[in-house]
Amino acid sequence: AQTVTQSQPEMSVQEAETVTLSCTYDTSESDYYLFWYKQPPSRQMILVIRQEAYKQQNATENRFSVNFQKAAKSFSLKISDSQLGDAAMYFCAYRRGSAGKSTFGDGTTLTVKP
Amino acid sequence: EAGVAQSPRYKIIEKRQSVAFWCNPISGHATLYWYQQILGQGPKLLIQFQNNGVVDDSQLPKDRFSAERLKGVDSTLKIQPAKLEDSAVYLCASSFYPGLAGANTGELFFGEGSRLTVL
Repeated sequence: AQTVTQSQPEMSVQEAETVTLSCTYDTSESDYYLFWYKQPPSRQMILVIRQEAYKQQNATENRFSVNFQKAAKSFSLKISDSQLGDAAMYFCAYRRGSAGKSTFGDGTTLTVKP
Repeated sequence: EAGVAQSPRYKIIEKRQSVAFWCNPISGHATLYWYQQILGQGPKLLIQFQNNGVVDDSQLPKDRFSAERLKGVDSTLKIQPAKLEDSAVYLCASSFYPGLAGANTGELFFGEGSRLTVL
């Protein structure tokens, strides 16, 4: 069974600084997708960024980028120029193929200090 | 575009009582998921539907939980009888049919969740 591990239950960052959230996963599959989702307090979870395993290039979405190390099964999220609105719980998720179920880590709570 | 709708947002019941949650996915999304999110943990898949058929219900406690998706659109998740450990947020999510041309492959669209407290 696939597992997703987020080893940092809590992280904090100063506004305008950069922070990196860690995620490792375990799989024997070759076709899979990795995601970072953001869950603000009492609000719905939304997609931050997605990485297809077959792509070597790391995904980037504005201030959000990932470091995808396929051999090491590592998928970290970097948030640059952190903003107060980035404060939330962040979940790393793995999905086998395009139709498989998504498995989530236990999340990292990010605090942004003004 | 309307998002995933869930109701009720909050529910408090006594143990051994029953409860039902409703979800209406984004129009055109063939796949619907119910996740259980216990405080401090990540979401855990309970059941996945493809149209009105069940794809995966391996982690659904079938002795007390049931779910249906009649007509392949909205869905209901029921718990009967509830236990204290069922206290959680129940998240509904939907996604495009896998492989659909132009679809955002793999992305889940979530509702705001239904928070259940069992006393």
